[in-house]
Amino acid sequence: GQNIDQPTEMTATEGAIVQINCTYQTSGFNGLFWYQQHAGEAPTFLSYNVLDGLEEKGRFSSFLSRSKGYSYLLLKELQMKDSASYLCAPGGSYIPTFGRGTSLIVHP
Amino acid sequence: DSGVTQTPKHLITATGQRVTLRCSPRSGDLSVYWYQQSLDQGLQFLIHYYNGEERAKGNILERFSAQQFPDLHSELNLSSLELGDSALYFCASSAEKGEEAFFGQGTRLTVV
Repeated sequence: GQNIDQPTEMTATEGAIVQINCTYQTSGFNGLFWYQQHAGEAPTFLSYNVLDGLEEKGRFSSFLSRSKGYSYLLLKELQMKDSASYLCAPGGSYIPTFGRGTSLIVHP
Repeated sequence: DSGVTQTPKHLITATGQRVTLRCSPRSGDLSVYWYQQSLDQGLQFLIHYYNGEERAKGNILERFSAQQFPDLHSELNLSSLELGDSALYFCASSAEKGEEAFFGQGTRLTVV
């Protein structure tokens, strides 16, 4: 089975940096996905880490430590439109399995 | 636009009824996943199909069933509907198992 732990809610200021942590326990780990979901909309893919280390993609970076069952998503130069839920999804048995996500509120 | 199409976008039906949700994956994608998202809940994995075959089941009720057709589109059938089945139902597709999944816009089901 899967067990995913993320903070329920975070707030940050426009222009700042925020780190969203995720710890997980899963069987058959095949990589870790991060998705962004605005309320009532479809999740959109942000990143996929298979190996340990940091993957950078523009303002967003994602880190993975497989031995620790730990990942984080780093968002830089926050914008108001980054207010959304961020979903950590370990891909056990190749299936993205989602927790409840972290609701990020960006304020001016 | 993710390239994944779900119909209908909205559906209102009465308890006890049966509905069919349809998903057309991105062109060439072999994997289709179905998820349920109730209000303020996470995405609950229901079922996975790969190239027409069922590959994995999650917390899918016996009243629910799905299939993937030879043209790779998929349908999710929900029967004997209950109020608690009201939710957003998402379909996602990926080219191969384990690759990034692209989500459709979802079907919002309301059971009254």
